[in-house]
Amino acid sequence: EPEVTQTPSHQVTQMGQEVILRCVPISNHLYFYWYRQILGQKVEFLVSFYNNEISEKSEIFDDQFSVERPDGSNFTLKIRSTKLEDSAMYFCASKRLAKNIQYFGAGTRLSVL
Amino acid sequence: AQTVTQSQPEMSVQEAETVTLSCTYDTSESDYYLFWYKQPPSRQMILVIRQEAYKQQNATENRFSVNFQKAAKSFSLKISDSQLGDAAMYFCAYQGKTSGSRLTFGEGTQLTVNP
Repeated sequence: EPEVTQTPSHQVTQMGQEVILRCVPISNHLYFYWYRQILGQKVEFLVSFYNNEISEKSEIFDDQFSVERPDGSNFTLKIRSTKLEDSAMYFCASKRLAKNIQYFGAGTRLSVL
Repeated sequence: AQTVTQSQPEMSVQEAETVTLSCTYDTSESDYYLFWYKQPPSRQMILVIRQEAYKQQNATENRFSVNFQKAAKSFSLKISDSQLGDAAMYFCAYQGKTSGSRLTFGEGTQLTVNP
């Protein structure tokens, strides 16, 4: 069964460094999402992406964040200058056009030191 | 803005017994989707069950079923014949009808299954 793939599974970085989290959505899906989950808290929406542009973003998704679909398969989340409070689990999800179910990847745990 | 509330931070159930997890939500929309996702210790988010608001019939998926009360804005999950593998964090989530809409999650309920 096709699945959403995220790499790396765990990323450790120093405060102020740039990180890129990578996702390979399911191949025939057209909507892509990033969510984050700070340890012990609920899952929060960051951004959605459709037709090569951001379709919706939350108040969390400030100028430090950006998303890109550099080729036909990858979907990336970049954090320009990481802060301690960016430490969280980041989930990528994708969805087909016709079916309203978001399928999640296994997540990337980001640790900012 | 939509909100989702799960008032039970923790629940426990004996193996083979039935447990119900509660969820309420607030919305001004008339058509939407509701979901239950399961998050085991691996922290992968796994879809358990989905309900479309315009459908009056409660969704079922094997041992999992929902009690959807649209007027009360309530969406509870019933797990029958609980198994050790059901132990996980369970999140209730809301999604608006607009295609591509974000998921709004509740705080989660940690379910323990006792042998």
